[in-house]
Amino acid sequence: GPKVLQIPSHQIIDMGQMVTLNCDPVSNHLYFYWYKQILGQQMEFLVNFYNGKVMEKSKLFKDQFSVERPDGSYFTLKIQPTALEDSAVYFCASSSRTGGNEQYFGPGTRLTVL
Amino acid sequence: GQQVQQSPASLVLQEGENAELQCNFSTSLNSMQWFYQRPGGSLVSLFYNPSGTKHSGRLTSTTVIKERRSSLHISSSQTTDSGTYLCALANTGYQNFYFGKGTSLTVIP
Repeated sequence: GPKVLQIPSHQIIDMGQMVTLNCDPVSNHLYFYWYKQILGQQMEFLVNFYNGKVMEKSKLFKDQFSVERPDGSYFTLKIQPTALEDSAVYFCASSSRTGGNEQYFGPGTRLTVL
Repeated sequence: GQQVQQSPASLVLQEGENAELQCNFSTSLNSMQWFYQRPGGSLVSLFYNPSGTKHSGRLTSTTVIKERRSSLHISSSQTTDSGTYLCALANTGYQNFYFGKGTSLTVIP
């Protein structure tokens, strides 16, 4: 079936540094999402992105977070600067349209902030 | 408040027994999906099922919108079914998923 890829699978960085998480969504999909799951906790919605814009974001999507998808390349989540509480697994998802459509999830990027 | 409630939180079965996992939601529903989360954390989509009943092998998902619930039935459980089962629903046009806390299933031989 359709696959979403995420790069890297693991990232370890020092607090205060910048990190960019990359997502390669399903090729004909138009809606993109980031979710965050702290180890042992519930998966939570961060942000969605459509037509070059953030359409909705949760309170977890702090000012230090940004997303973009320049020229149809990777859909990225950038955190600058990182904080200890950003340590989590970040999942990217994509879907083809609204009005009820299946989301395809990537394998996640495990981010560890030291 | 919590929009998606999953029950039971954990379940232990003898191999061969059936399992019924529940997902109840407090809002209207636009989209509903069931996932299996591997011990390593990656997600396997089991069903996209915003309404009605779907079957896949030993798995059956039934969503009843007016009762605000969805269920996942696993028949003849196997040890390889062990793991965490998540339901997720979306209730807005942009389909942001709200996840339940999951049901942890352990199947013993």
